[in-house]
Amino acid sequence: EVQLVESGGGLVQPGGSLRLSCAASGFTFGTFWMNWVRQAPGKGLEWVANINQDGSEIYYVDSVKGRFTVSRDNAKNSLYLQLNSLRLEDTAMYYCARLTPGSYGYYRDYWGQGTLVTVSS
Amino acid sequence: DIQMTQSPSSLSASVGDRVTITCRASQTITRYLNWYQQKPGKAPKLLIYAASSLQSGVPSRFSGSGSGTDFTLTISSLQPDDFATYYCQQCYSTPVTFGQGTRLEIK
Repeated sequence: EVQLVESGGGLVQPGGSLRLSCAASGFTFGTFWMNWVRQAPGKGLEWVANINQDGSEIYYVDSVKGRFTVSRDNAKNSLYLQLNSLRLEDTAMYYCARLTPGSYGYYRDYWGQGTLVTVSS
Repeated sequence: DIQMTQSPSSLSASVGDRVTITCRASQTITRYLNWYQQKPGKAPKLLIYAASSLQSGVPSRFSGSGSGTDFTLTISSLQPDDFATYYCQQCYSTPVTFGQGTRLEIK
């Protein structure tokens, strides 16, 4: 059974840092693109970052470029998101999701339960 | 960035109703379109990929259609478990973008 379990969220002051983790199991982690999607309280879904199988291709939404860093450790079946210079508007539930290739692009077929990041003074 | 616009933003319907949600892209995305269902406090769940392909395990009352800029998600006969928020998402270009969501409520 495919499972994705996020951790590392919490309350942090503006300008602070957090490191989110996503532990994967039930599939060959190192053969899939992975990504992070976030959802501010009461709002819609926003894609944050993608990373390919070996970490050599990485993409970010403009609003987090230079502040967030996505990485992975295939030996540990884990995905990470380092959040620096946090802003109030980064407050959200952060989900990791697996990306599966289809005939028309990639789709997010498995998601974790999410980890909540709250930025507040 | 490609903008995705869903309509309606909210919808009230009854069990057994046929429901259609539409999604329009700001430019052509051929069939690079996915649909997700999200219930309160839960992660999104993939329903439809590539505009019309049903994800494994998803009931056949869900269907998707469309190509280019206009897409629809149809639920043929609403069940109590279907009351949720639905999102379309384009994967034609980066950044991938989601529609604002359609909240489906019980009438």
